[in-house]
This record gives sequence, C-alpha cells and structure tokens, in this order.
Amino acid sequence: DTGVSQDPRHKITKRGQNVTFRCDPISEHNRLYWYRQTLGQGPEFLTYFQNEAQLEKSRLLSDRFSAERPKGSFSTLEIQRTEQGDSAMYLCASSLLAGATYNEQFFGPGTRLTVL
Amino acid sequence: DQQVKQNSPSLSVQEGRISILNCDYTNSMFDYFLWYKKYPAEGPTFLISISSIKDKNEDGRFTVFLNKSAKHLSLHIVPSQPGDSAVYFCAAIRLGNQFYFGTGTSLTVIP
Repeated sequence: DTGVSQDPRHKITKRGQNVTFRCDPISEHNRLYWYRQTLGQGPEFLTYFQNEAQLEKSRLLSDRFSAERPKGSFSTLEIQRTEQGDSAMYLCASSLLAGATYNEQFFGPGTRLTVL
Repeated sequence: DQQVKQNSPSLSVQEGRISILNCDYTNSMFDYFLWYKKYPAEGPTFLISISSIKDKNEDGRFTVFLNKSAKHLSLHIVPSQPGDSAVYFCAAIRLGNQFYFGTGTSLTVIP
C-alpha cells in the first residue's frame, strides 16, 4: 500500500454540474476524513467516517454535499449543482484509531476542483 | 472561528540558520499539536507532534515547543536546508475529534 490515493487529481466543471471524487485510504485505516482547502487557508474539516459510519459533519458541508463510505474502505464525496465558490482543493486523509489515543492522519494528494 | 492561527504567512531564512515557525491556539482543551509540511501538488505530510502534557519534543533537526499558558507553540528547524522550503501547517486535536489546522506559513530556505 503506497498511501492515500485520490481520483481525479483535477476536475474542471461548469456551474450547476454534479461532481464526484473518490478517496482510497490506507488499507488498515478505519478513519477517513475529508477536508477542503482554499488558497491561503489551511485544510478545513468537512466530515469524517469511522469504518462506514459518518460520525461528524461540519456546517461547511451544505445540503449539496454528500459523502459515503459504503463498505468502510473507499469513500466518495459528491457535490451537486456546483457553484463557483466550491472551487478548492479537496483533501482526503485516513488514520487508524486505536483505543483513545492520538492518531496521525495521512493525507492524499488532493483533488483540485475548478468550477467555471 | 479560527481556533488555530499562524500569523506569519511567509518566512525566509538562510541555509544553515534556524527557522522558527509560530502557531497560536484558542482552545485550552486540545490534547495534541502537530506540524505538517506541504509541498506543491501534494497533500500535507506529518512532521512532528507534541502532547499537551509536554513542553518540548525533538526529532532530529526539528523541535516543537509548547507554551500552554500562552497557548503558543513553535517549530524550530536547525540547521535549515533548501529542501525544507515548503508550507508548514500547525494543527491541533482533541482526542476523538476533528483536527483544526492553521492557515500555514510558507518557508523559503535560501541557499
């Protein structure tokens, strides 16, 4: 396993279209996170899964956003009716939760979305 | 609400000198603090962390200092190398909860 992978790396779409991104975490990791990063900002938390359960969603995640992790492995993030303000880098990260200890996150390379 | 702040967007340092990157936070309940390094077109990579019960952690050229009373942490890189040029993010976490990232500091190490 070479780490967290994301597909596609770049996506250009027209306003109003739907887009879907995929994240494949490190295989033994049970936690998966989605972040959004805009220019000049750090990664902003969107949502995370523990196995297949979505445990937390940020208020940044509007109704147009939906994330799934159906089998507790890969995850998808869908944005419906994209808006220009959705243009950003979407980062996925995974970690292994072991008890109640701190767990380092490993990030994928991100998917850069441009909404025209 | 920005719970983790990096007030210096950029820093330039001569090769061989010390780089000091600073980070401030507002939530006294954070359990761990981390530094991530990011190169262009790549995701952030973990660099070093510190538990809230410690005040210093060292790993090779990298040392993180935590001042809980001031809600401040810093990353020292010594000696700085050109390959250290990247954007550095500090992050904080309460166990079992989400990570909060700062806005990043772009470090340039001049040969």
